[in-house]
Amino acid sequence: DAKTTQPPSMDCAEGRAANLPCNHSTISGNEYVYWYRQIHSQGPQYIIHGLKNNETNEMASLIITEDRKSSTLILPHATLRDTAVYYCIVIKSGSARQLTFGSGTQLTVLP
Amino acid sequence: DAGVTQSPTHLIKTRGQQVTLRCSPISGHKSVSWYQQVLGQGPQFIFQYYEKEERGRGNFPDRFSARQFPNYSSELNVNALLLGDSALYLCASSLEVQGYNEQFFGPGTRLTVL
Repeated sequence: DAKTTQPPSMDCAEGRAANLPCNHSTISGNEYVYWYRQIHSQGPQYIIHGLKNNETNEMASLIITEDRKSSTLILPHATLRDTAVYYCIVIKSGSARQLTFGSGTQLTVLP
Repeated sequence: DAGVTQSPTHLIKTRGQQVTLRCSPISGHKSVSWYQQVLGQGPQFIFQYYEKEERGRGNFPDRFSARQFPNYSSELNVNALLLGDSALYLCASSLEVQGYNEQFFGPGTRLTVL
């Protein structure tokens, strides 16, 4: 699975959009981009995933560049409860594959 | 709808002892994975089981073993505990569907080795 690079930390004001970048320059054609988050002392939680098209669900939006070498997770209206470590993971197509977590981005939403 | 459950929530052991951690997947999920999360790091993959068969194993010593039961629940065993085994142990379950990689994590078992 391709390696990902994320900034170690970011701050965001409550109510504003949080844009979390991820670089995956070695991604191959059959690899998906998945985002998980981990709120302190809890298990990771799935947020969203995509292959090449932009995706949106009730939690977030995922924007993948045309060359697929990077992506951005967008939390449109961040709340204090969105403070967490966010992990960008690249996974080959398949099912229930093991997840390779990096260090992630610590997002702190400020009041 | 019950999520993934793990027991116990916390555990304290001493070096050299053995420990067994338990996980019950979401109803209908046949795949169970185990991860170790050391403080300050992301979770690291240990094992994956599907239909009682080991599907994958991470870079962990033979002191770590696991199994899956007919009801799809799972146990993780760690023998000869070391101080470095202190971590949050996470269990995740998933549907076995092609192209589906969403994994549902339990709250974890916090293991402290003294």
